[in-house]
Order: sequence, then structure tokens, then C-alpha cells
Amino acid sequence: DTAVSQTPKYLVTQMGNDKSIKCEQNLGHDTMYWYKQDSKKFLKIMFSYNNKELIINETVPNRFSPKSPDKAHLNLHINSLELGDSAVYFCASSPPTGGVGKLFFGSGTQLSVL
Amino acid sequence: QQQVKQSPQSLIVQKGGISIINCAYENTAFDYFPWYQQFPGKGPALLIAIRPDVSEKKEGRFTISFNKSAKQFSLHIMDSQPGDSATYFCAASYSGSARQLTFGSGTQLTVLP
Repeated sequence: DTAVSQTPKYLVTQMGNDKSIKCEQNLGHDTMYWYKQDSKKFLKIMFSYNNKELIINETVPNRFSPKSPDKAHLNLHINSLELGDSAVYFCASSPPTGGVGKLFFGSGTQLSVL
Repeated sequence: QQQVKQSPQSLIVQKGGISIINCAYENTAFDYFPWYQQFPGKGPALLIAIRPDVSEKKEGRFTISFNKSAKQFSLHIMDSQPGDSATYFCAASYSGSARQLTFGSGTQLTVLP
């Protein structure tokens, strides 16, 4: 009965590879997000989707491409991975009402690029 | 440009003590100020939140104090317990931001037994 689930939990890969992270939420929320947490724990928003439409696209290299097949899923595909992409990536969702700051996060995907 | 400044970066408190984490913001359009708690290996989780029409909000041992004129808000954890050891993030948002939260840089709290 996990609310926001993302897979895989850990991802270790070589530089230059392409990888994907999947996210699903069963909360009935209409907005989903990808956040990046660096080694200093700083949280930065990358993308936000509302009902499958992209509404926030921060300054992120175009090697990162989100895809939302439906409002319960938001996947993140990363091409040509670089050392600097190593971080923890969090998927999150928020309800349609009740405050813009109420985010529900997944447990994160720790990406290590070697 | 960091819109929400958080301090201290790390905090060590004895069990039973009071933990205080401070945040300051710049954008006066912010109208919602949540605090998130993150345990190792987990995602952040909403702990408590306040709107600027009140100066204090309390939930159990956790209290937010809000000073609108100073553009500052703080989290107080009373009777701190080892289980409170986590990273705490303040954040701010405003209605026109398309659901975008601005997070502080985080405070790693360690409560010693």
C-alpha cells in the first residue's frame, strides 16, 4: 500500500549509459514531480507534471527527459549519464487542493555514475 | 539566488533538550511555510506547516514560530528524542508558483541519548 513508489532503489552504472527511473503513486493526486538531492542534501525541483502535462521544467540538461503515460505515473529517462548526475532522485506527488506545499515523496533512487 | 536560508547546517542536542532551527525568506509573496523531516534512506515527509496569518502553530512536541515582519520562521522541537534525529528542511511556496516549493538547505539534527 505504498503511496509513492519508485524503482529502482539503487542504480549503479557507467558513464555514457542511458537509464530510467520509474515512479507510481496510488494517492489519486494530479501533480507529480522529480526532485534531485545532491550530496549536501540540497533538494532541487527538476520537473513537474499536472495531469500528464509538463508544467515545470527547471534548468535541467536535455539529457533528462520525463514521461508521464498517465497521471499516476511519471518516469525519468537519463541519456549519456555523467559523473555529475550522481545523486538521489526523488519522485513526489501533490493533491489537487489543500496547499501547494504538501508533497508526498517516494523513498528515492540513489544513482551512482562510475 | 537562495530564497530560503536555513540555519544551522547541523545541530546536536541532548535528549530532553529543545532543538531550534531557523529559516529566513526573501519573497514576501510566499504564503505557505512547511517543514519536512527526512530520515536516512527515506524521502522527506511533511511534518508541520504554517500560513502567515498566524504567529505560531503547535503539533505535539513540534512548534513553528512565524515572524512576518522579520520574514523569519523557526521550528522548535521540545523534549527532543533520539528518534527525532533526522534532516529537517524548511520550505516556502506561493499560490502563483505552479506548485513549486523552495526548500532551505537542510539541518541535520542529532539527538544524543
